[in-house]
Amino acid sequence: GAGVSQSPSNKVTEKGKDVELRCDPISGHTALYWYRQSLGQGLEFLIYFQGNSAPDKSGLPSDRFSAERTGGSVSTLTIQRTQQEDSAVYLCASIRLAGGPRGDTQYFGPGTRLTVL
Amino acid sequence: QKEVEQDPGPLSVPEGAIVSLNCTYSNSAFQYFMWYRQYSRKGPELLMYTYSSGNKEDGRFTAQVDKSSKYISLFIRDSQPSDSATYLCAMSPSNDYKLSFGAGTTVTVRA
Repeated sequence: GAGVSQSPSNKVTEKGKDVELRCDPISGHTALYWYRQSLGQGLEFLIYFQGNSAPDKSGLPSDRFSAERTGGSVSTLTIQRTQQEDSAVYLCASIRLAGGPRGDTQYFGPGTRLTVL
Repeated sequence: QKEVEQDPGPLSVPEGAIVSLNCTYSNSAFQYFMWYRQYSRKGPELLMYTYSSGNKEDGRFTAQVDKSSKYISLFIRDSQPSDSATYLCAMSPSNDYKLSFGAGTTVTVRA
């Protein structure tokens, strides 16, 4: 397909379990961002990958969160020992960089809705 | 206090009305300002982008930035039912997507 896909679309887990969320970006897009959107809150930046550079992890809320991007394509966000406050929609954005927002092309995936019981 | 404040609404207007949305912010380093539209159960899509202060118009949409007041606005003219969505403001001090977002304003345009 032409869009950004994320899986699973919904995930319900028990507190303390680990979860993996997947993002399949658009082929050829060098930048990939993860955000989360909690109920009543705006989006919150988590981490981004750009080309072969080291990821910018400055938005990760705790060391329970990690992410990787394999082969410059698919990315996985892992949350260890999930807590109830981790419940949110996790969104990834695939971006073709062209010098700034005026020229860049960005697409968000539909998100993964995570519920921690 | 949040870095970006946005009234969550909801805002309900009749078709054809002007929709006025705004955000205030506290970080004077913000230089890049964006508005996103998000339909229910979908990811956001970029509507408008403005660098520094000024106005920008694109069709029925006008974005305004007043850095002296730390205030940004989005106006939607001749609103349509298809404009019903949540509108998110976002901003960054640098030319990247490490954005600080407002909470979003939910807008309903009544036919």
